[in-house]
Amino acid sequence: NAGVTQTPKFQVLKTGQSMTLQCAQDMNHEYMSWYRQDPGMGLRLIHYSVGAGITDQGEVPNGYNVSRSTTEDFPLRLLSAAPSQTSVYFCASSYSGQGVSDTQYFGPGTRLTVL
Amino acid sequence: QKEVEQDPGPLSVPEGAIVSLNCTYSNSAFQYFMWYRQYSRKGPELLMYTYSSGNKEDGRFTAQVDKSSKYISLFIRDSQPSDSATYLCAMSEFRNRDDKIIFGKGTRLHILP
Repeated sequence: NAGVTQTPKFQVLKTGQSMTLQCAQDMNHEYMSWYRQDPGMGLRLIHYSVGAGITDQGEVPNGYNVSRSTTEDFPLRLLSAAPSQTSVYFCASSYSGQGVSDTQYFGPGTRLTVL
Repeated sequence: QKEVEQDPGPLSVPEGAIVSLNCTYSNSAFQYFMWYRQYSRKGPELLMYTYSSGNKEDGRFTAQVDKSSKYISLFIRDSQPSDSATYLCAMSEFRNRDDKIIFGKGTRLHILP
């Protein structure tokens, strides 16, 4: 199993550009989520999905869109990039998202810089 | 007051020492407590979890929860240079499907050879 994969690893955007961060998992997990990690802020939940066709907002959803057309993929779209979106983005997945014993697996992250 | 407070460090200790990492929290409804380890430029990985109060031991690692004080700890015995990483505490109510995991900011730990 590849686990949780994310592409690209690094990206530089100009303000106003749009892009999609890709996330895929091959563990047949129902629950997938996107976090951003900033110095001094910890991990903050952007959006999550409890299954194909179902998404919901997390703590910091503004400026981001998600969709979940398949169990495997959960892309994160930046509609119009802003410098405040410079961060490291992590995708995570777990079997059901319910309960601490349902281990959440994180991807390796995408480092995004918005100029 | 933030829901979860964690000293960001860095914390530097000599190899072989006992390390103590701590978090405090404000939400008394939290009942699941987790510790994640994150190596540089990697994603976090779940290290240990506990439910409610008490201790849990896994090899050199011991997690403690004191719900009366809203305080959790992770102890690392016989620390090794390979333990150098950022340690994030996390907690959740996990009562409903929409209950989120709330993460601390992480403590950077350096084990000096």
